[in-house]
Amino acid sequence: GAVVSQHPSWVICKSGTSVKIECRSLDFQATTMFWYRQFPKQSLMLMATSNEGSKATYEQGVEKDKFLINHASLTLSTLTVTSAHPEDSSFYICSARGQDTYEQYFGPGTRLTVT
Amino acid sequence: QKEVEQDPGPLSVPEGAIVSLNCTYSNSAFQYFMWYRQYSRKGPELLMYTYSSGNKEDGRFTAQVDKSSKYISLFIRDSQPSDSATYLCAAGNYGQNFVFGPGTRLSVLP
Repeated sequence: GAVVSQHPSWVICKSGTSVKIECRSLDFQATTMFWYRQFPKQSLMLMATSNEGSKATYEQGVEKDKFLINHASLTLSTLTVTSAHPEDSSFYICSARGQDTYEQYFGPGTRLTVT
Repeated sequence: QKEVEQDPGPLSVPEGAIVSLNCTYSNSAFQYFMWYRQYSRKGPELLMYTYSSGNKEDGRFTAQVDKSSKYISLFIRDSQPSDSATYLCAAGNYGQNFVFGPGTRLSVLP
């Protein structure tokens, strides 16, 4: 299967700072990338969908000014959590889908802890 | 009604048992279906993907879709402790965002 990586895998930041998470498709071109959030023992929550070169589409209730998504190339998308607060602490997972396909491949996730 | 529903479990089975994991979906237009396995603190791993109705087999795993009843299943034969994970189903259509179920937690006991 296709490989998606995320960096960092784990990050701790102080309240009020911003943190950037990278998502890369390593062996295919990802025309669409997705960002999810997952709390312990809960299901995936889709935050936003982005197509390469276009603005991200955010799900209802997700603050686009707080969660900045950039999908500047066919292999890289970034999620920046701005002015992070402890309630932003969560597991963030990206996934990617190539052109002319429907399968979605997930990254390993990034655990964010805001102190 | 949620678009894709799963029993959250946990489901506990002894090693070697046949496991049946199930999802129901509400949108009859869905044509594509996927099953993922997620270990604790890891991203979901795509196990199987199928189109329309029918069965698909891959090793110990069999995915089954019954569009008439809007029911999808994943069977695991000869289950192993390493199969202990959360299994998520997803349904959707080509070019659209897939809808994920909440996942079923499976424990295979040695």
